[in-house]
Amino acid sequence: QLQLQESGPGLVKPSETLSLTCSVSGDSISGSHYYWAWIRQPPGKGLEWIGNVFYTGDPYYSPSLKSRVTIAVDTSKNQFSLKVRSVTAADTAVYFCARHDLMTTTSLDYWGQGALVTVSS
Amino acid sequence: QSALTQPPSASGSPGQSVTISCTGTSSDIGGHNYVSWYQQHPGKAPKVIIYDVTKRPSGVPDRFSGSKSGNTASLTVSGLLADDEADYYCNSYVGSNTYVFGGGTKLTVL
Repeated sequence: QLQLQESGPGLVKPSETLSLTCSVSGDSISGSHYYWAWIRQPPGKGLEWIGNVFYTGDPYYSPSLKSRVTIAVDTSKNQFSLKVRSVTAADTAVYFCARHDLMTTTSLDYWGQGALVTVSS
Repeated sequence: QSALTQPPSASGSPGQSVTISCTGTSSDIGGHNYVSWYQQHPGKAPKVIIYDVTKRPSGVPDRFSGSKSGNTASLTVSGLLADDEADYYCNSYVGSNTYVFGGGTKLTVL
């Protein structure tokens, strides 16, 4: 059974960089039929698609966040990561990592439990 | 790209049917058949219930169905159960390997 687990600091100061890692277990992250995605959800608000990455390292980002976000993959550790630079209180959210299946369900079919990141001094 | 437009709330009594709309543009919903719907219970991760506009993943009851007309996709929940009370989000492919979510609809079972 595929499992995803987010990890990283739960508190980040304004103007600093938010960094999260998603560890994938139960299957290789190097499958050619999957993207690996980040989604966030501010408290009490809706889901926002941040971006995704292919196992080759090719990233794709939401235009609204593209200037501040980096998504990378580490196939040797079966992990992928998210960095958001110059954070403000508006970046406070639960951050989810997920697998985007390109072949069978063409959807986000496996999700992590989510990690709350608070931006505050 | 802007978020897809969903009504903030919907409601129905047990056993009834309710339909939730998701409106986009010709660049997203209208231009592709990669629309998916997600159910999210409080404090939980979302779960896919519809993909490719109309298809259901294994294990999702056929009480959930999806459709699309022009730039608007819809999710219909039939035979409402108490456990269907949750937030529902649509998601569409936008092109260039990017996606966008709707603002979400809170479904209340009366």
